[in-house]
Amino acid sequence: EAQVTQNPRYLITVTGKKLTVTCSQNMNHEYMSWYRQDPGLGLRQIYYSMNVEVTDKGDVPEGYKVSRKEKRNFPLILESPSPNQTSLYFCASSFLSSGANVLTFGAGSRLTVL
Amino acid sequence: KQEVTQIPAALSVPEGENLVLNCSFTDSAIYNLQWFRQDPGKGLTSLLLIQSSQREQTSGRLNASLDKSSGRSTLYIAASQPGDSATYLCAVMWAGNQFYFGTGTSLTVIP
Repeated sequence: EAQVTQNPRYLITVTGKKLTVTCSQNMNHEYMSWYRQDPGLGLRQIYYSMNVEVTDKGDVPEGYKVSRKEKRNFPLILESPSPNQTSLYFCASSFLSSGANVLTFGAGSRLTVL
Repeated sequence: KQEVTQIPAALSVPEGENLVLNCSFTDSAIYNLQWFRQDPGKGLTSLLLIQSSQREQTSGRLNASLDKSSGRSTLYIAASQPGDSATYLCAVMWAGNQFYFGTGTSLTVIP
């Protein structure tokens, strides 16, 4: 089944404890991205990647890191989480070619930082 | 600055009614526009993708239109059903490969 898989789905952590949210897709998509969804603010893009070893900042990159060492994986790293990073996170992927860039989303990862 | 707006934030309709959801965006130089559905506690599911050169796309009871000159897109849902209850989001891609999302319209279809 073609899908984007995120882990963990739910996580409670404490301020300053490094964590990684993994994202993997099995569709050979070039494009991958991370979003956070907050009430009243909608989805905001954190980082995106157009191919291996190519990453770019979205609108809210502060406090986050990403890497794209393999085409299928795009982990989101919070080096020192803070309570304002409590949110629902989504990973998504797509082809880059025009007409085929339909975004496929993962099921989401709900993160709480105490 | 690119912005995407969806009004109203919430909408309730009786079952069987046809309805229209609105999406407006700044800057008409878009690459494409996508409509998504989000069920509570779940991820987003793509409904329709409209390229900048297209005026509309249809899938079953759904029809999405695009008017770049006025900066608007509409999602038309025919003969609404309780199973259509969800939040509907639109997302716009401009140059730079970034997607910008509206805050969504929460739809409730009353049996």
